[in-house]
Amino acid sequence: DTAVSQTPKYLVTQMGNDKSIKCEQNLGHDTMYWYKQDSKKFLKIMFSYNNKELIINETVPNRFSPKSPDKAHLNLHINSLELGDSAVYFCASSQDWQGRAFFGQGTRLTVV
Amino acid sequence: SQQGEEDPQALSIQEGENATMNCSYKTSINNLQWYRQNSGRGLVHLILIRSNEREKHSGRLRVTLDTSKKSSSLLITASRAADTASYFCATDEGGSYIPTFGRGTSLIVHP
Repeated sequence: DTAVSQTPKYLVTQMGNDKSIKCEQNLGHDTMYWYKQDSKKFLKIMFSYNNKELIINETVPNRFSPKSPDKAHLNLHINSLELGDSAVYFCASSQDWQGRAFFGQGTRLTVV
Repeated sequence: SQQGEEDPQALSIQEGENATMNCSYKTSINNLQWYRQNSGRGLVHLILIRSNEREKHSGRLRVTLDTSKKSSSLLITASRAADTASYFCATDEGGSYIPTFGRGTSLIVHP
């Protein structure tokens, strides 16, 4: 079974649309993350979340919002998509904020 | 903000050679991790080294940490074509514990 799974793997959408990327982990981890990887492979933390605290990278536009229905899920919702949002988005989880992170396979978002 | 910086950005070697990648960071850390990313895939954890450790080994991988220089190195010995990937270091920015990555080193191992 896949430890951290994201859907969809590919997402092509038009500017201005609202979209969501789903992430689920079956590892029983307490902490989940969303990262954005740009075309130069730079991985930027967007959000980190456990059942007690959400930490938001202050550089992330408020069009991006994480939603966690339960401990095993951390979905990423994006409003009013822009061309610059095109990137690969990775979900990850870890037992705690000091442990190794397990990554999903990524969602390649293309905004046209 | 970006924490770890890998060096070199790209490395091309022949199979059987050793590959060394370096990572420098700016603030104090609790631990430093190395990850590998194959093209089009997610990151896979390789090694975690804590701030009170100086060296760790895992198979053909050797990681060193010098907290006085705020730097770490990843050595892959006897490289194989299958080692071709991007390698990232991740540190927890002083106090936040959130794994923060650099831009990675792209390693190509020619058969």
